[in-house]
Amino acid sequence: GDQVEQSPSALSLHEGTDSALRCNFTTTMRSVQWFRQNSRGSLISLFYLASGTKENGRLKSAFDSKERRYSTLHIRDAQLEDSGTYFCAAEAGGGSGNKLIFGTGTLLSVKP
Amino acid sequence: NAGVIQTPRHKVTGKGQEATLWCEPISGHSAVFWYRQTIVQGLEFLTYFRNQAPIDDSGMPKERFSAQMPNQSHSTLKIQSTQPQDSAVYLCASSLALGAEQFFGPGTRLTVL
Repeated sequence: GDQVEQSPSALSLHEGTDSALRCNFTTTMRSVQWFRQNSRGSLISLFYLASGTKENGRLKSAFDSKERRYSTLHIRDAQLEDSGTYFCAAEAGGGSGNKLIFGTGTLLSVKP
Repeated sequence: NAGVIQTPRHKVTGKGQEATLWCEPISGHSAVFWYRQTIVQGLEFLTYFRNQAPIDDSGMPKERFSAQMPNQSHSTLKIQSTQPQDSAVYLCASSLALGAEQFFGPGTRLTVL
């Protein structure tokens, strides 16, 4: 079935540094969402993209508009409060319907 | 806007008992989704509704699991004869329309002893 491959599975950053997470899709996807799961387990939506890029503060996400088979989440000037688990999720649409297919998550740890 | 509401937040059942989980979607949202999260399987899709009608239940275990949406303000996920392997966090999400951004509730942590 359709798969979402997320990398890296874990990431350790020092405060103030930049990094990126990536999700590859085994098939063309219609849209992608990025989430952060907080300490209580809630999935907080960071971005929803059907194409192009979106930016919110120090976070920026892009969805490959050409082949629609990967997405990235860039973190600029990482802060301690960015620590948590990040998930991408993609919707294939069409015959695969509107369910989200999740990646396996990236555990981000930001250190002083 | 209170967001997606799920009750209870935690539920502990004994093996063989029934568990009913409740979800209230965001007002005005026409699509409701159920997912579950475990350490082993990660986040996986269960089922979804549009305008209260079941659309896709391909992720639901074939036995013991059922979901309903009797009205636009709530959906239920029922697990009969619960088993330890049903232990998971069950998440409900809603979206304004199919294909739109999904917003998640806080989840119900089900523990089957």
